Amino acid sequence: NAGVTQTPKFQVLKTGQSMTLQCAQDMNHEYMSWYRQDPGMGLRLIHYSVGAGITDQGEVPNGYNVSRSTTEDFPLRLLSAAPSQTSVYFCASSYSGTTKNEQFFGPGTRLTVL
Amino acid sequence: DAKTTQPNSMESNEEEPVHLPCNHSTISGTDYIHWYRQLPSQGPEYVIHGLTSNVNNRMASLAIAEDRKSSTLILHRATLRDAAVYYCIPEPNAGNMLTFGGGTRLMVKP
Repeated sequence: NAGVTQTPKFQVLKTGQSMTLQCAQDMNHEYMSWYRQDPGMGLRLIHYSVGAGITDQGEVPNGYNVSRSTTEDFPLRLLSAAPSQTSVYFCASSYSGTTKNEQFFGPGTRLTVL
Repeated sequence: DAKTTQPNSMESNEEEPVHLPCNHSTISGTDYIHWYRQLPSQGPEYVIHGLTSNVNNRMASLAIAEDRKSSTLILHRATLRDAAVYYCIPEPNAGNMLTFGGGTRLMVKP
């Protein structure tokens, strides 16, 4: 199993540009989520999904969109990039709807917005 | 959601045991305590979780106080690879989404 994969690993954007961060998992996990981590800080939840077709907002959803058309994929869209969105983005997945199940994290996407 | 308090940083010598404390005095009686760690430039990884009794796995041991207001993650023999930020995370009230605080940065000296 590849686990949780994220692309790209690095990205530089100009203010106002849009882009999609890709996340995929091959473990047939129902739950997927996106976090951002600013320098020296803990992770903050952006959006999450409890299954295909179902998404909800986390702690810091503004400026981001998500959709979940398949179990495997959970892309994160930046609508109009801002310097405040410079961060490392992590995608995670887990088997079911409680934290008793281990969450698996991807390697992260490092985004810089100029 | 229950709040946690962890030291910002700790130091250990290689091959010595490390005890990482966490206070979670507002945790409810049915909430699990989870520990994750984040190695440099990597995503977090699961370490261990428990409810009341002590728990062991191949990575670490988790000692939970009888009143459940605190817990301690124990690395029995620290290696250089254990240098990471360790997060103590109480189970959220709803959903499956973890809330990461600042964690404890563990430095391991050779």
